[in-house]
Amino acid sequence: NAGVTQTPKFRVLKTGQSMTLLCAQDMNHEYMYWYRQDPGMGLRLIHYSVGEGTTAKGEVPDGYNVSRLKKQNFLLGLESAAPSQTSVYFCASSYPRLASDEQFFGPGTRLTVL
Amino acid sequence: DQQVKQNSPSLSVQEGRISILNCDYTNSMFDYFLWYKKYPAEGPTFLISISSIKDKNEDGRFTVFLNKSAKHLSLHIVPSQPGDSAVYFCAASDTDKLIFGTGTRLQVFP
Repeated sequence: NAGVTQTPKFRVLKTGQSMTLLCAQDMNHEYMYWYRQDPGMGLRLIHYSVGEGTTAKGEVPDGYNVSRLKKQNFLLGLESAAPSQTSVYFCASSYPRLASDEQFFGPGTRLTVL
Repeated sequence: DQQVKQNSPSLSVQEGRISILNCDYTNSMFDYFLWYKKYPAEGPTFLISISSIKDKNEDGRFTVFLNKSAKHLSLHIVPSQPGDSAVYFCAASDTDKLIFGTGTRLQVFP
């Protein structure tokens, strides 16, 4: 099993450009999440999904959109990138109410917006 | 308003000694608390958790203590090893999601 994978690993964008980050998991998890990690800020939830076809806003959703068309994939879109979106993005997945709500994380995508 | 706080950004401990990482929370309705470990350029990995109905959970060198009255939890690592050097995040389970603290960078030196 590959677990949680993220594509791409690195990306540099210019202000105003758009891009999509792809997250895939092969653990048949129902729940998927997108976080961003910034220095001194910890992991902040952007959007999440509790099942195929569903999405919900997290703590910092502005400037991002998501889609969950297939159970195994969760896409994060930036329609018009801004320098404030320079960050490391992590995707995670979990099976609801399994033990301690443990989430499994991908390796991250480092995004720089110039 | 931070619901989960890690007030120590960094901690330095000698190899073989105990490392104690602390975490405070504000919402008494959280039902699980988790600790994650993160190495540079990698995703966080789950370390240990505790249910809100317990006050201690142990797994090898790692023990988590929960003090509900103080809304405080701590992670003890005994003995500390150089490979434990990483950033540690505590998290609280809130319905369908986790709320993370800002992390504590642990450095274990020889």
